Amino acid sequence: EVQLVESGGGLVQPGGSLRLSCAASGFTFSSYEMNWVRQAPGKGLEWVSYISSSGSTIYYADSVKGRFTISRDNAKNSLYLQMNSLRAEDTAVYYCAREGGAVAGLGDAFDIWGQGTMVTVSS
Amino acid sequence: SYELTQPPSVSVSPGQTARITCSGDALPKQYAYWYQQKPGQAPVLVIYKDSERPSGIPERFSGSSSGTTVTLTISGVQAEDEADYYCQSADSSGTQRVFGGGTKLTVL
Repeated sequence: EVQLVESGGGLVQPGGSLRLSCAASGFTFSSYEMNWVRQAPGKGLEWVSYISSSGSTIYYADSVKGRFTISRDNAKNSLYLQMNSLRAEDTAVYYCAREGGAVAGLGDAFDIWGQGTMVTVSS
Repeated sequence: SYELTQPPSVSVSPGQTARITCSGDALPKQYAYWYQQKPGQAPVLVIYKDSERPSGIPERFSGSSSGTTVTLTISGVQAEDEADYYCQSADSSGTQRVFGGGTKLTVL
């Protein structure tokens, strides 16, 4: 079964750090581009960051640039998001999402999503 | 930064047709994608590359594109289609992914 499972969320104080992980299974992880997407309570989806299949190309939303770092370990089938200098407005459910790309023939669609992990930034 | 604009809400009666629009300056250049999200669940892809339907998505879901606007059409709406719908695309450079603000579809 194709699956993404996020972990690492929790309660953190403003200015603190947290590292999220996303474990992939059921597909060749190293062939796919990956993204992090977040959703604040009661709000819409917000794209956070993208990483290419090899890890050589990375993009960030302006709202997290300079504070968050995306990375991946293809040997461990895992995606990561290091979050530093956290703010109250970073409070959200964080999803990892596979980008179908040329492999799946879906263009840049986010075709597989994890169940999400909740990050709460509060004192 | 680049934005995609959706109406906040759309309401239809069962069996009618729902149309949800999404506008953005780069849409003539970049594909659009549509996601359905029900409460407490992760989003699900329902349309890719403007008008293609993934396997497993009912035929009543369709997509179209015209200039700077893309449209998700749900024909013969069913109660189970009540959800939030998001369009997604990229800026003209193709680097920044972006989501629309979302549209809440209410089945009356």
